[in-house]
Formats: sequence, structure tokens, C-alpha cells
Amino acid sequence: NAGVTQTPKFQVLKTGQSMTLQCAQDMNHNSMYWYRQDPGMGLRLIYYSASEGTTDKGEVPNGYNVSRLNKREFSLRLESAAPSQTSVYFCATTGTGSKSYEQYFGPGTRLTVT
Amino acid sequence: AQSVTQPDIHITVSEGASLELRCNYSYGATPYLFWYVQSPGQGLQLLLKYFSGDTLVQGIKGFEAEFKRSQSSFNLRKPSVHWSDAAEYFCASGGTSYGKLTFGQGTILTVHP
Repeated sequence: NAGVTQTPKFQVLKTGQSMTLQCAQDMNHNSMYWYRQDPGMGLRLIYYSASEGTTDKGEVPNGYNVSRLNKREFSLRLESAAPSQTSVYFCATTGTGSKSYEQYFGPGTRLTVT
Repeated sequence: AQSVTQPDIHITVSEGASLELRCNYSYGATPYLFWYVQSPGQGLQLLLKYFSGDTLVQGIKGFEAEFKRSQSSFNLRKPSVHWSDAAEYFCASGGTSYGKLTFGQGTILTVHP
């Protein structure tokens, strides 16, 4: 039972390159989230998916796209990377029932855009 | 819109000393409140949560937090800090749809031996 997994762990991109960050969960949760973490700014929500087939913008969606491929997988795509997107990206999923709003986080992807 | 403020960016304590990390929230209704801990290079781990009921909640690793509606606060406490508690701590609030959380800026805790 791996929980929430993210690939890759580290990535270096040049400005203008594209890439997809992958996230998968084996917790059978409906809701999934993508955050970015920058020093002194906490975690900011990029996109979320309340259920399979739906996605919505969060606080900082510009420059990103997402795909909820199925219940398990939620990917984040950078079409044309910019230095401002250098950050640590976390995927999370939310429990159900009595564990609603408890978010379970993946280990993160550290992205550097040069 | 919800907001969460952690006034202290960095706190240093000696091992064995008591700890209090501050958190203030802004939300019209009673929010759901959380404290998470992040060790270097790791993801976030839930320490404790408050949904309703008893305003003093116990969490893992000996942490507790108290919800004070009159002060819009949810401060995290530990009576005796261990060196392994050195990490970054995040306060978060929820209560809107789909389990979305709003995070504070984080407080970095350094523990001196």
C-alpha cells in the first residue's frame, strides 16, 4: 500500500521545455490536488479534481494544465516551463467520510527551470 | 476567502523546552483546522485536526493544539521538545467544498541540543 506516489523526484528543465508530473494513489479516494511549495509562501493550490472526470482551478493555475486520467491518477503538465515555475510540487488526496479534509501527501517533485 | 497566518517564520528552542507555534485563521464559519509537519525533503504529515467538539485536541508525537474561537487561533503546543521535532510546521484550514485546504506560510522550528 504505497499511498500517494509522485514521479519524477527531481527534474531540471530549460525555459520553454514541457513536462508532465505524474501522481498516483492507491487509497481509493475521490479528490486529488496539486500544490506548489515556495519558501515563505506555504503551499498554494494549483488545480484539484473532486472526482474522476472533473478538474477545477485553484489559487495559482496559470501556466499549468491537469488531467484526471482515472480515479488513481492525476497529472500536472507544464506546456512551456518558466523560471517562475521552479518549485517543489506536491500531489495530495483527501480521505472520505470521517477522514474528509485530511489530506495525504506524496513525497514531492523538486523542479528547477533554468 | 479563507486565510491562515503563521506569524513566526522561524523559532528556535532548546531541547526539553516547551513549544508554542501560533496560527490565526480568517473564516466566517467554524473552520476545520489542521497542523502538518514537514521534515526536510519529505512530504507533509498530519499532526492533528480540529473539526468540532472539545477545543483541545491531541495529536501524534506528543503535540496538542487548542482552538480559541474568540481569538481566531489554533496554536500548536508541546511540553518538551525533542531534537527530532526540528522541521517545518504548517497550519491549514478547510471547510469549503471538496476538501480544499488553505495553508499558512509555515514556521521553521530549530532545536538546539
